[in-house]
Amino acid sequence: AQSVSQHNHHVILSEAASLELGCNYSYGGTVNLFWYVQYPGQHLQLLLKYFSGDPLVKGIKGFEAEFIKSKFSFNLRKPSVQWSDTAEYFCAGGLYNQGGKLIFGQGTELSVKP
Amino acid sequence: GAGVSQSPRYKVAKRGQDVALRCDPISGHVSLFWYQQALGQGPEFLTYFQNEAQLDKSGLPSDRFFAERPEGSVSTLKIQRTQQEDSAVYLCASTPTGGGEQYFGPGTRLTVT
Repeated sequence: AQSVSQHNHHVILSEAASLELGCNYSYGGTVNLFWYVQYPGQHLQLLLKYFSGDPLVKGIKGFEAEFIKSKFSFNLRKPSVQWSDTAEYFCAGGLYNQGGKLIFGQGTELSVKP
Repeated sequence: GAGVSQSPRYKVAKRGQDVALRCDPISGHVSLFWYQQALGQGPEFLTYFQNEAQLDKSGLPSDRFFAERPEGSVSTLKIQRTQQEDSAVYLCASTPTGGGEQYFGPGTRLTVT
C-alpha cells in the first residue's frame, strides 16, 4: 500500500538550533516528493519538491531535503531555525500515473522558542 | 494573481443536514483535488478532476459524498445526511497539469453537531 510516514509528531527547538524532520515513503512506482508547510492560520504552502535529478533539493526560507532512494527517505533540514519557522510540516508523495494525487504524512508540529 | 478560494470558510451543520462546499481553482488549472483533513492528521485524498471529468473518486468515504465540476472550473463537494465523523477541514487544491505542485485553498472547516 502507498504510504508516507513522519517520525516526529511534535518537535520543540530553540532559535538557531538545527532541524531535521524525518519522512519515509512506501510506493511501487515513480514518485514525486514534496514538503508542505502550514503556518498558524494560513493555508498549505509548498516548501520544496523532488521530481528527478539532483537528490538534494533546496526550497524556500533556507530549507532543503535529500532524497535517498535506498532508504525510501526524504528528510527535511534547516541549519538554523527561527521563531518564524513555527508551523506544521507535512511530507507528501504523489504518483504521477495516478494524476498526481498526494498521499500525506501525519504532520510534524514544530515549535521554535525565541 | 488570485489563489485557490473556498467557501464557506466555516460551516456548522446539524447531523442529518446536507452541505455544499465550493472551490474556485486558479484560473486555467486543469486538475482539481479534494482532501479531507481531520484534527491532528495530514490531509487525505478524496477525489480528483481533470477538467470536468472525475478521474478518481476512490477516497470518498461513502456514497453520501459527491463531487462535481460541470464546466471544468468551479467544483462543489456535497455531503448528504452529515454525520459527526464528517467533521473536518475540507481542502481543495489545483494544479496546471497532473503530477506537479498543488496549490491549496484555505479550506472549509465543517463541524457537525
